[in-house]
Amino acid sequence: AQTVTQSQPEMSVQEAETVTLSCTYDTSENNYYLFWYKQPPSRQMILVIRQEAYKQQNATENRFSVNFQKAAKSFSLKISDSQLGDTAMYFCAFIEEGTYKYIFGTGTRLKVLA
Amino acid sequence: DGGITQSPKYLFRKEGQNVTLSCEQNLNHDAMYWYRQDPGQGLRLIYYSQIVNDFQKGDIAEGYSVSREKKESFPLTVTSAQKNPTAFYLCAATAHGGTEAFFGQGTRLTVV
Repeated sequence: AQTVTQSQPEMSVQEAETVTLSCTYDTSENNYYLFWYKQPPSRQMILVIRQEAYKQQNATENRFSVNFQKAAKSFSLKISDSQLGDTAMYFCAFIEEGTYKYIFGTGTRLKVLA
Repeated sequence: DGGITQSPKYLFRKEGQNVTLSCEQNLNHDAMYWYRQDPGQGLRLIYYSQIVNDFQKGDIAEGYSVSREKKESFPLTVTSAQKNPTAFYLCAATAHGGTEAFFGQGTRLTVV
């Protein structure tokens, strides 16, 4: 069965600093998609970044980038120049190609300190 | 505006009663999902539906039921068989597998 593991329940970072959130997953398939979602205090889930497993290049969206290590089944999120508005729960998610079963991790609560 | 609408935002239920949570989408997306969110446990998949009149159990389907009679609607019924129903429930939709999931604002269910 597919699983997504986020081993850091809580993290904090100083404003303007860089922080990395970890995510590992388990699958026997070769083609799949990985995501990071943000859930701010409003609880509205927002997509941060998406990675296709068949693409070797790591995805980047402004201050957000990923380190995708397919062999290690690792998908970490790096937030550069952290801002107070980045304070939120961050969820790693996974879905195999050709399926619709969207699996989420347990989340990492990130607090950006002024 | 296009999106996912969940109602109500807050719901109180007496023990032993069934209750139905509403989820409607106007994105014309094929797939819809229900998740349960509890502190420290992340989002756990209850049910999902790829297409009208078809749905699959997720990881924690016991005590829940769904229907998908229309593309835009995917209601979730929390039955009296669900031992610990107090939680935050999220509905989502995707155009197809591998694409972004769009979420509703959630329903907070409390058993009193």
